[in-house]
Amino acid sequence: EADIYQTPRYLVIGTGKKITLECSQTMGHDKMYWYQQDPGMELHLIHYSYGVNSTEKGDLSSESTVSRIRTEHFPLTLESARPSHTSQYLCASSVGLGLAETQYFGPGTRLLVL
Amino acid sequence: AQSVSQHNHHVILSEAASLELGCNYSYGGTVNLFWYVQYPGQHLQLLLKYFSGDPLVKGIKGFEAEFIKSKFSFNLRKPSVQWSDTAEYFCAVNARSKAAGNKLTFGGGTRVLVKP
Repeated sequence: EADIYQTPRYLVIGTGKKITLECSQTMGHDKMYWYQQDPGMELHLIHYSYGVNSTEKGDLSSESTVSRIRTEHFPLTLESARPSHTSQYLCASSVGLGLAETQYFGPGTRLLVL
Repeated sequence: AQSVSQHNHHVILSEAASLELGCNYSYGGTVNLFWYVQYPGQHLQLLLKYFSGDPLVKGIKGFEAEFIKSKFSFNLRKPSVQWSDTAEYFCAVNARSKAAGNKLTFGGGTRVLVKP
């Protein structure tokens, strides 16, 4: 399995603040993903990257942005946090090609915007 | 677009009971199928996956799942659950199609509570 790290694990912040959620993996995986998961709901893909300098928006519209300057690092940024951004954010990276791809997940960041 | 349905949102059962969680998907082409588990306070972990071959897949912790192509289903089973199986279980599908975007689509999850 991949070693995927997310920090912070929990974040409580006020409206209007800029935040960056960190995600890093040590396995050299090219593909990385960000999902948003509200309590009791399914995961929704908000961003993905197939490699350095490659980022794409996912199925669920999000006001967040991402960057992929290094293979191992895929941070997510909210320029101005709002209460509607309160959710859990899960980062994943994957091994395998095409449909042999398997995604492995980090522990998540639970974000609460007051 | 592909979709994944998990029939039960919540399941409560006693230890030693048998568990079966339903999962159906909508995509008609070739798919790869996954079950992930999220224990309380922990991150999503891969339980098992189906890519090809034997449609009965065995995973970790005594879980298995059967892919029935004609029914578009990938149900998860465990013959005898333990209290430690209390968790949320997610079915996911990766479809082999450019139109489908080759992305992982998750079901809504099933919360399983095993009473000691």
